[in-house]
Amino acid sequence: EIQLQESGPGLVKPSQSLSLTCSVTGYTITSGYDWSWIRKFPGNKMEWMGYISYSGSTNYNPSLKSRISITRDTSKNQFFLQLNSVTTEDTATYYCARGVAWFAYWGQGTLVTVSS
Amino acid sequence: DIVLTQSPATLSVTPGESVSLSCRASQGISTSIHWYQQKSNESPRLLIKYASQSISGIPSRFSGSGSGTDFTLSINRVESEDFSVYYCQQSYSLPRTFGAGTKLELK
Repeated sequence: EIQLQESGPGLVKPSQSLSLTCSVTGYTITSGYDWSWIRKFPGNKMEWMGYISYSGSTNYNPSLKSRISITRDTSKNQFFLQLNSVTTEDTATYYCARGVAWFAYWGQGTLVTVSS
Repeated sequence: DIVLTQSPATLSVTPGESVSLSCRASQGISTSIHWYQQKSNESPRLLIKYASQSISGIPSRFSGSGSGTDFTLSINRVESEDFSVYYCQQSYSLPRTFGAGTKLELK
């Protein structure tokens, strides 16, 4: 059974970078499918942030394009999110998910608070 | 970006009632809409894909319909476990976008 799990700091200071890891078990990320990052803000708004494909190509939400990077480590079956120059408005629960059309598998989510 | 407008924002019902949740797209998106249920402190769960395609393991009381700009998620005879927030999401174009959600609550 495929499982995804996010990990990373729960608190980041304004202007710093947010870095999260998504560890995937039960499926090899290079076998197929795309791998997305999605966040949910306080108040329930959901935002798709971007994806990395099974071949390693990426696509980002233009609203984040200058600040976001999604990479991977195929040897560890992990993919990563880096979001630069964060502000308090980046406070959200961050999810990794399989797919880019629809999302059948999600991580449990990790709350990241941006605060000094 | 494609804007998805969900209505109502909140729906108060009693168990056993049947309900319809609406999602309207800002432009035609064929049937590229997917529905999710999210309970408090849980990850979203995919209920329906491509407007009306059922998902393995999802109870048959959940169904979807629509094409173009207007879509509906129907729940036949709501059960207590169904009280949660429901989101629609489009895959017609990038960036993927979500609706603001409909909260289904106990009357």
